[in-house]
Amino acid sequence: AQSVTQLDSQVPVFEEAPVELRCNYSSSVSVYLFWYVQYPNQGLQLLLKYLSGSTLVKGINGFEAEFNKSQTSFHLRKPSVHISDTAEYFCAVSPLPSGGSYIPTFGRGTSLIVHP
Amino acid sequence: DAGVTQSPTHLIKTRGQQVTLRCSPKSGHDTVSWYQQALGQGPQFIFQYYEEEERQRGNFPDRFSGHQFPNYSSELNVNALLLGDSALYLCASSDGLAGEQYFGPGTRLTVT
Repeated sequence: AQSVTQLDSQVPVFEEAPVELRCNYSSSVSVYLFWYVQYPNQGLQLLLKYLSGSTLVKGINGFEAEFNKSQTSFHLRKPSVHISDTAEYFCAVSPLPSGGSYIPTFGRGTSLIVHP
Repeated sequence: DAGVTQSPTHLIKTRGQQVTLRCSPKSGHDTVSWYQQALGQGPQFIFQYYEEEERQRGNFPDRFSGHQFPNYSSELNVNALLLGDSALYLCASSDGLAGEQYFGPGTRLTVT
């Protein structure tokens, strides 16, 4: 089984400041890693994913994440945030597809609050 | 290109009642997964449908059942509603079982 821990439930930050949202995972097998964003009253949108290859993954809206296998972490970063980045962010892990299917396990989410 | 659509947007039911939620997948997708997102939590996997069959199931009781139609749309049924079933129900579709999942906006279910 897999589990995901998002270390901060809420991260307040000022506009144009850098931000890091932390995610640690636990798994006995190799995994895929994801970050999703959820804006108020909307569904989830995929920001980025790590499947294999380079450990630094770039996503949409200027976000990037680095996979660290030894520390079992997949932290999300953005060098300069905007008010519009205010949203809930979810880290998720999925075992490599077995029998053709993958099912992500989500963390509890981190609320990013960007102040002007 | 229409994305994943869900209906209704909001729903209020009474304990003990039954509810049906509907999902239309993104064009070209044939696999539908359902998730329950309680307030302040991440989504939890309920089940996944492919070729009109339930392929995988999460840790949810038999009160939760589903169906997939030949046009790939899907329904989630919940019987004997409990207060704890109040949540946002998300549908996600993908191109195949291992495809990237695209989420709909969800149905907000309130059980009173």
